[in-house]
Amino acid sequence: AQTVTQSQPEMSVQEAETVTLSCTYDTSESDYYLFWYKQPPSRQMILVIRQEAYKQQNATENRFSVNFQKAAKSFSLKISDSQLGDAAMYFCAYGGGSEKLVFGKGTKLTVNP
Amino acid sequence: GAVVSQHPSWVICKSGTSVKIECRSLDFQATTMFWYRQFPKQSLMLMATSNEGSKATYEQGVEKDKFLINHASLTLSTLTVTSAHPEDSSFYICSAPRQANTEAFFGQGTRLTVV
Repeated sequence: AQTVTQSQPEMSVQEAETVTLSCTYDTSESDYYLFWYKQPPSRQMILVIRQEAYKQQNATENRFSVNFQKAAKSFSLKISDSQLGDAAMYFCAYGGGSEKLVFGKGTKLTVNP
Repeated sequence: GAVVSQHPSWVICKSGTSVKIECRSLDFQATTMFWYRQFPKQSLMLMATSNEGSKATYEQGVEKDKFLINHASLTLSTLTVTSAHPEDSSFYICSAPRQANTEAFFGQGTRLTVV
């Protein structure tokens, strides 16, 4: 079974600085998708960024980018120019062919003004 | 963009009663929907996969007779918590992918409190 590990229960960053959230996963599949979701206090799950495993190029979405290392099964999220609104729980997720998602335990990000 | 709507957002019910939670895909058809449960300060755990026109697939350890899932149309899946008990109190979230292996859109979630 696939597993997703987020080793940082909590992280903090100063406003306008950069922070990296770590995620590793385990799978025997060759084709899959990886996601980072943001869950603010409202608890609405918001997609931050998505990476297809067959693509070597790292995905980017404005201030959010990933460092995808397929061989190492690592998928970290970098948030640049952190904003107060970035404060939330961040979940790394793995999606296989059946489309269901396996989530990591999450990282609580605090942004300090 | 695609939207998934979940209703109600929160519900309080008495122990022993049943509660139905609806999950609707608003602008796309979803042959598959997923139901997750999230305890406070924990991650989302998949409970079951809802398949339109067929029986749901439950994850190991999830009681299918307690958590009844019905996916009668391409835009609606319902989760009924039967004979609810305080330990069923949790946050329930549904999701639906518009296409295979694309973004899964999540409902707003339902906070269930059983008293």
